Amino acid sequence: KNEVEQSPQNLTAQEGEFITINCSYSVGISALHWLQQHPGGGIVSLFMLSSGKKKHGRLIATINIQEKHSSLHITASHPRDSAVYICAVPNYGGSQGNLIFGKGTKLSVKP
Amino acid sequence: KAGVTQTPRYLIKTRGQQVTLSCSPISGHRSVSWYQQTPGQGLQFLFEYFSETQRNKGNFPGRFSGRQFSNSRSEMNVSTLELGDSALYLCASSLGTSGGSLNEQYFGPGTRLTVT
Repeated sequence: KNEVEQSPQNLTAQEGEFITINCSYSVGISALHWLQQHPGGGIVSLFMLSSGKKKHGRLIATINIQEKHSSLHITASHPRDSAVYICAVPNYGGSQGNLIFGKGTKLSVKP
Repeated sequence: KAGVTQTPRYLIKTRGQQVTLSCSPISGHRSVSWYQQTPGQGLQFLFEYFSETQRNKGNFPGRFSGRQFSNSRSEMNVSTLELGDSALYLCASSLGTSGGSLNEQYFGPGTRLTVT
């Protein structure tokens, strides 16, 4: 069974700062998901990646399959980036089964 | 395209009752997954349906069940409600030709269930 660790649990930043959120997992996988959850509950899928790096606007996600580690970066952070960021991986590695989730990183960006 | 819709958005039930939640996926999506989110346990997978068949099931008691219809709409049912079932229930749809873990998932707004 895969285990997912996220760090930090909470993060407070000033507007404009560069943000990094980390995710480590225990069993080799074929894809990792980054999700964003705003207050009120709505969840948006930010990235699904299996290797290398993906970029969307000010968001960048990287993954190192050998080290079983992924990072989510936010450049030039803005108060609207305040949300909980969650990583998720297949439960039993590879493509089997369902997703298992990290406990999330709560980001607060102050103006 | 319309997004994933869930009904109802809020629900209050008492212990011992049963509840049915509904999820309409994005048009053309054949996979629907259900998740439970609580402050203590975070997000947990309940089950995934693809083309009316349950493809994966999480570690939840038999009181939690679901089904999917031919139009891909899905329902989940919780019988004999317990206080611990109070949670945000989210569904997500995807194209789903592979297992849910390999598809980008589009989440609905959730149904917040309170059991008193």
